[in-house]
Amino acid sequence: NAGVTQTPKFQVLKTGQSMTLQCAQDMNHEYMSWYRQDPGMGLRLIHYSVGAGITDQGEVPNGYNVSRSTTEDFPLRLLSAAPSQTSVYFCASSRDRGDYTFGSGTRLTVV
Amino acid sequence: KNQVEQSPQSLIILEGKNCTLQCNYTVSPFSNLRWYKQDTGRGPVSLTIMTFSENTKSNGRYTATLDADTKQSSLHITASQLSDSASYICVVSEGGSYIPTFGRGTSLIVHP
Repeated sequence: NAGVTQTPKFQVLKTGQSMTLQCAQDMNHEYMSWYRQDPGMGLRLIHYSVGAGITDQGEVPNGYNVSRSTTEDFPLRLLSAAPSQTSVYFCASSRDRGDYTFGSGTRLTVV
Repeated sequence: KNQVEQSPQSLIILEGKNCTLQCNYTVSPFSNLRWYKQDTGRGPVSLTIMTFSENTKSNGRYTATLDADTKQSSLHITASQLSDSASYICVVSEGGSYIPTFGRGTSLIVHP
């Protein structure tokens, strides 16, 4: 039972490049979400999904896209990377609005 | 606007000592409150989750309390160990919402 798996663990992008952060869970959780964590700030919700085919915006969605074609996978796409998107990104899943299981994070640097 | 305030921002204690971390929130209506431990470079890991009707929950040396009337929670760590050095995050969920409110965390350092 792997839990929540995020790839890659580290990534450096140039301004304007695009990329996809991968997130997969094997717990059959309906709810999945993406957060970013910046120094001195709490985790902030980017996008979330309550089931396959359903996504919605969180607090800081601008510059990010998501899709949920399966229960297991919830990729986060950066369309045109900006230095302001330098952050640590966490994916989380839960059975409902209860306890979250977090992935180990992706550390992204945009130069 | 929903807010979660944690105190202190940072704390240094000696191994074997007890400590208490605080969490005050303005989230309403209340659904649940969770405490997470986040080691450096890792994702948060759940310690406890409490609903409105629960006022105490333990997980080993970690004991969380909840006073829903005053909208306060505390996390008490007993007989601290070096491995308790981490950031402790309080998260409060609003009833009917999928968007939880995170505190900024308390950074705990345990010295030998």
